[in-house]
Amino acid sequence: EIVLTQSPVTLSLSPGERATLFCRASQSVNSYLAWYQQKPGQAPRVLIYDGSNRAAGIPARFSGSGSGTDFTLTISSLEPEDFAVYYCQHRSNWPYTFGQGTKLEIK
Amino acid sequence: EAHLVESGGTLVQPGGSLRLSCAASGFTFSSYSMNWVRQAPGKGLEWVSYISGSTTTIYYADSVKGRFTISRDIAKNSLYLQMNSLRVEDTAMYYCARGQTAAGGGWFDPWGQGTLVTVSS
Repeated sequence: EIVLTQSPVTLSLSPGERATLFCRASQSVNSYLAWYQQKPGQAPRVLIYDGSNRAAGIPARFSGSGSGTDFTLTISSLEPEDFAVYYCQHRSNWPYTFGQGTKLEIK
Repeated sequence: EAHLVESGGTLVQPGGSLRLSCAASGFTFSSYSMNWVRQAPGKGLEWVSYISGSTTTIYYADSVKGRFTISRDIAKNSLYLQMNSLRVEDTAMYYCARGQTAAGGGWFDPWGQGTLVTVSS
């Protein structure tokens, strides 16, 4: 089973700042990594798939990069609605696993 | 627009059984794989089970293997999760989520709103 480790666990930033979230895989997942956003009381929604592709309707301030074992989600300028929990997930092989999440909170 | 609605979650005693349902609409149900994902209170996401569009391929997380059974009814556009021998640690919000192809997995989109299963005496 591939283990995904996200860092930091919590990120405290202010609106307008740049956020950088990391996800490291225990073995290569090629580019088969997605990022999800989850707000309190809501289901997760996909932001980025296959490493760097923005899902439909996702604002351009969200971008993903990386391949192999190291991936990054960048939010270029934080909006108030971006404060949430973010998860990475691979689809390299079964079982598809999720990272433990990064909570992005308002500073 | 693709839409998923889960139902069936409730309070159940340890050792009991429960069947969750997920009603799909807005897309050709048989053309997509489907998944169940759960989230324990205050915790992260855990993939539970996968079923291909044709139902020929099924996978389970080790934590539920032998106790849970995933199935789908193409005629009813519905996904199911039969949960037996329930444990306290199965307490979670259960989400159904669509894959991106019939045979493969792909990322999960969309997700339903979830149904809460509580296992407690």
